[in-house]
Amino acid sequence: EAEVAQSPRYKITEKSQAVAFWCDPISGHATLYWYRQILGQGPELLVQFQDESVVDDSQLPKDRFSAERLKGVDSTLKIQPAELGDSAMYLCASSSTGTASYEQYFGPGTRLTVT
Amino acid sequence: SQKIEQNSEALNIQEGKTATLTCNYTNYSPAYLQWYRQDPGRGPVFLLLIRENEKEKRKERLKVTFDTTLKQSLFHITASQPADSATYLCALPLSGGYNKLIFGAGTRLAVHP
Repeated sequence: EAEVAQSPRYKITEKSQAVAFWCDPISGHATLYWYRQILGQGPELLVQFQDESVVDDSQLPKDRFSAERLKGVDSTLKIQPAELGDSAMYLCASSSTGTASYEQYFGPGTRLTVT
Repeated sequence: SQKIEQNSEALNIQEGKTATLTCNYTNYSPAYLQWYRQDPGRGPVFLLLIRENEKEKRKERLKVTFDTTLKQSLFHITASQPADSATYLCALPLSGGYNKLIFGAGTRLAVHP
């Protein structure tokens, strides 16, 4: 069964350092999402791509976060510089277009700890 | 603003009983509602979608209801098993967004043998 791949699974970094996360969505899925999930809370959308275009980044802290999906396939989320409050699980999800597009498929996530 | 509320306290039940989880929302009229399961340290897994014109939907031991008047969805697991222990998240699409979801904080379910 096709899955969303994410790497790394775990990342420990010091504050003020740069960190990057990678996501490979399910093949053929045009829509890709990056979420941040703080322990005890639900996932919060950071950025949404439709193919290579950003369709929503209203909750992305653009002074330090950036995301790209250059060829409309895999995607990278970067934080520079990392802050202590960025410690969280970063989840990538994808969905297909069309009438069956509502279901989102999530990857295993990257657990980020900023020290 | 749009808000989703799920029971923050864990639900503890005995194996074989029916678990019922609640999702309430305000300031919103969603076209559909979704339920996801999340195990510790893993990403959420889609379970069910129910549309605003559907009162009830079933999938194996799962049943979801959607009351647009009460602005509430109930999620039931019948004949619960220890393997059903997880956090269950309710999610709704945001107005004006293209399948942009807002998630509740989730309710943790623990099924005891």
